[in-house]
Amino acid sequence: KQEVTQIPAALSVPEGENLVLNCSFTDSAIYNLQWFRQDPGKGLTSLLLIQSSQREQTSGRLNASLDKSSGRSTLYIAASQPGDSATYLCAGAQGGSEKLVFGKGTKLTVNP
Amino acid sequence: GAGVSQSPRYKVAKRGQDVALRCDPISGHVSLFWYQQALGQGPEFLTYFQNEAQLDKSGLPSDRFFAERPEGSVSTLKIQRTQQEDSAVYLCASIDRGRKKDTQYFGPGTRLTVL
Repeated sequence: KQEVTQIPAALSVPEGENLVLNCSFTDSAIYNLQWFRQDPGKGLTSLLLIQSSQREQTSGRLNASLDKSSGRSTLYIAASQPGDSATYLCAGAQGGSEKLVFGKGTKLTVNP
Repeated sequence: GAGVSQSPRYKVAKRGQDVALRCDPISGHVSLFWYQQALGQGPEFLTYFQNEAQLDKSGLPSDRFFAERPEGSVSTLKIQRTQQEDSAVYLCASIDRGRKKDTQYFGPGTRLTVL
């Protein structure tokens, strides 16, 4: 059974700092690895999707990497801003349906 | 619409009541998923539809939970005889299966509170 772990559970940084969020998974047989953002009381917004054959994806100030052999993914956020404050969730797509198995998330606070 | 919509956004039910939660996926999206998110946790898979066929319901926590998608578009998640442990946010997501292994697009969720 796939298990996804995110470390740290919470992170507080000053504005402008570069930061890394970590995600680990136990089953390397994933179709893709997705990173989402969730604001309080809201649904999930997709940030980046890395296919199983890829190593990384970039979008603006965000860069996500995937290492299937070690069961790890990282989300790098450059030059953090207060608007980046949210909970970040990673999820691995499993099985024929590509159902997602989520971690518990990292709650990020960027202080002005 | 441009995105996945869910209704109601908030539902308060007395223990023992039946509830029905609705999901309107993005038009043309073949695959639809339901997830349950407890407070402070990541979402957990409940069930999956491809068109009108329910192909995976392994995540439904009990036989009080039932989901349908009769015409392959709108889906309804029904919970019978609600219990306090059913209190959670219920999220719906859809994928355009024409673009395999694509991003799942999530709705805003329905927050269910069982008193």
